Amino acid sequence: GAGVSQSPSNKVTEKGKDVELRCDPISGHTALYWYRQSLGQGLEFLIYFQGNSAPDKSGLPSDRFSAERTGGSVSTLTIQRTQQEDSAVYLCASSHLRAGFYGYTFGSGTRLTVV
Amino acid sequence: GDSVTQMEGPVTLSEEAFLTINCTYTATGYPSLFWYVQYPGEGLQLLLKATKADDKGSNKGFEATYRKETTSFHLEKGSVQVSDSAVYFCALRDGNNRLAFGKGNQVVVIP
Repeated sequence: GAGVSQSPSNKVTEKGKDVELRCDPISGHTALYWYRQSLGQGLEFLIYFQGNSAPDKSGLPSDRFSAERTGGSVSTLTIQRTQQEDSAVYLCASSHLRAGFYGYTFGSGTRLTVV
Repeated sequence: GDSVTQMEGPVTLSEEAFLTINCTYTATGYPSLFWYVQYPGEGLQLLLKATKADDKGSNKGFEATYRKETTSFHLEKGSVQVSDSAVYFCALRDGNNRLAFGKGNQVVVIP
């Protein structure tokens, strides 16, 4: 597609429920990143995919968080047993490393609210 | 690890004023440096970048120069407009092709 697409754009969930957040990167972009943006905390790196593999999962805050990428394209970030501190905007970005690094293209994010 | 530090707090200024947002970095090598902007209700957009020392990135009247000697990449604009009101993030590319971001600065331009 023309840009990075994320869905849903907004999600309200009850504490303890599981949620899935989806990211469709730009076609042909081999690298995909997940970040979390919390009020006053800036952008927190979560996980990075190169193709379907995740060489860097160092930012996942707990074992309740997991992510996968299939077909070198769509990625899903799953949060199990959500807690109120998980409330944030979850941002996905993609880039095309073969052409050199020109920064990321970000999606508009999913705003997650845990009540 | 590699990191970026931005000046604390929001920035409020009048239209046509001069804007500076400070950014310094800590890195083991010579990372590429970026400024991203987030307009209200929108996602992050790349504003400008510089890939080596003394490079100047520029876009939409904004400029930033990669200063190796002071490890800085301050963002400047000579005459801001109300439409420049946004959150600005400084970032560097680390050795793992990951962007490390500063905490961002809210800029509010008053007419």
